Amino acid sequence: QSALTQPPSASGSPGQSVTISCTGTSSDVGGYNYVSWYQQHPGKAPKLMIYEVSKRPSGVPDRFSGSKSGNTASLTVSGLQAEDEADYYCSSYAGSNNLNVVFGGGTKLTVL
Amino acid sequence: EVQLVESGGGLVQPGRSLRLSCAASGFTFDDYAMHWVRQAPGKGLEWVSGISWNSGSIGYADSVKGRFTISRDNAKNSLYLQMNSLRAEDTALYYCAKDSSKGDSFAFDIWGQGTMVTVSS
Repeated sequence: QSALTQPPSASGSPGQSVTISCTGTSSDVGGYNYVSWYQQHPGKAPKLMIYEVSKRPSGVPDRFSGSKSGNTASLTVSGLQAEDEADYYCSSYAGSNNLNVVFGGGTKLTVL
Repeated sequence: EVQLVESGGGLVQPGRSLRLSCAASGFTFDDYAMHWVRQAPGKGLEWVSGISWNSGSIGYADSVKGRFTISRDNAKNSLYLQMNSLRAEDTALYYCAKDSSKGDSFAFDIWGQGTMVTVSS
């Protein structure tokens, strides 16, 4: 159960697009379409932004999109807004015939 | 309103035990898998444990396997985490989280506010 790998930081100016990567292995990200992304503002509980690689829960702006290629998943935030500044975490089902989930280390997104 | 409310956290000495509870409301509790996720101060999220709707499938992170036990009582709409042999590295805010799909999506759409566990002598 090794943590998924995310860059510690990312940044962009308002209106720009930014992509955050999440690298795992064939036993987690690459093996299943159960990648999720969460947004967490300071002092708040995480909020689900993307599930099953690219699906958006109701209420999440379509500026947020997800994708996957091989063992790497990505979250793209288009049209950056000030309120997008937060920590972002990816997670993936990690199999093993039981409930087994692994998170990434998190990426601090700064809106310049 | 869909809601999860954790309780049971506190200050505990290393080696001792603590039992966390999570009260669910506003949704059909026994339709969904439930999970515990923790966050050490200033650190990232760490999945701790999960349990299927009927307790037929259970999983644990390697870091807590053999020390923590997850359970649920569907009649009481409640989730539990029994934590034994606590260590300083278990110090964290513990969140209860609901799976977003009846068919298990391993994505957590509802989170509680968390309950803080501090392990220290």
